Amino acid sequence: NAGVTQTPKFRILKIGQSMTLQCAQDMNHNYMYWYRQDPGMGLKLIYYSVGAGITDKGEVPNGYNVSRSTTEDFPLRLELAAPSQTSVYFCASSYLTSGGETQYFGPGTRLLVL
Amino acid sequence: RKEVEQDPGPFNVPEGATVAFNCTYSNSASQSFFWYRQDCRKEPKLLMSVYSSGNEDGRFTAQLNRASQYISLLIRDSKLSDSATYLCVVTPYTGGFKTIFGAGTRLFVKA
Repeated sequence: NAGVTQTPKFRILKIGQSMTLQCAQDMNHNYMYWYRQDPGMGLKLIYYSVGAGITDKGEVPNGYNVSRSTTEDFPLRLELAAPSQTSVYFCASSYLTSGGETQYFGPGTRLLVL
Repeated sequence: RKEVEQDPGPFNVPEGATVAFNCTYSNSASQSFFWYRQDCRKEPKLLMSVYSSGNEDGRFTAQLNRASQYISLLIRDSKLSDSATYLCVVTPYTGGFKTIFGAGTRLFVKA
């Protein structure tokens, strides 16, 4: 299994440009998440999904959009890039067991907005 | 008060030292607890789960104190490769989207 994959690994955007960050998982997990992590800071939840067709906002959703048409894919869309969106973006997936939830993370996408 | 609080550190220790991290959580109904490890410029990865009875994995020991609402991670005989950020993670039993990650404690192990 590839686990959670993310593309691209790194991207430079100009202010006002748009892009889609791709995320895919092959573990058949229902739950998927998008986080951002600013330098020296913790993870902040942007959006999450509990299954195909179901998404909801996290802590910092402004400036982003998501869709979940399949179990495997959970792309994150930035419509009008701003310097404040410079960050590392992690996608994660998980499943629930009686012992709780373990999240598996992708390698991240580093985004620089200039 | 933050839902999950950790001492940000950094903790600077020599090889072979024993180091302990604490984490407090505010939601008394929290059910599941974990420690994740994040290496510099890498994604977080599960280190170990934390159980009420305490659990050990090699040099790592995790403890949970529900009455005081804190969890701990003890690392014995520190190695250079233990240098990383350790994230305290708390989640309710039923709500995956409510999993809360602490900001992390930075550990530097020096030769």
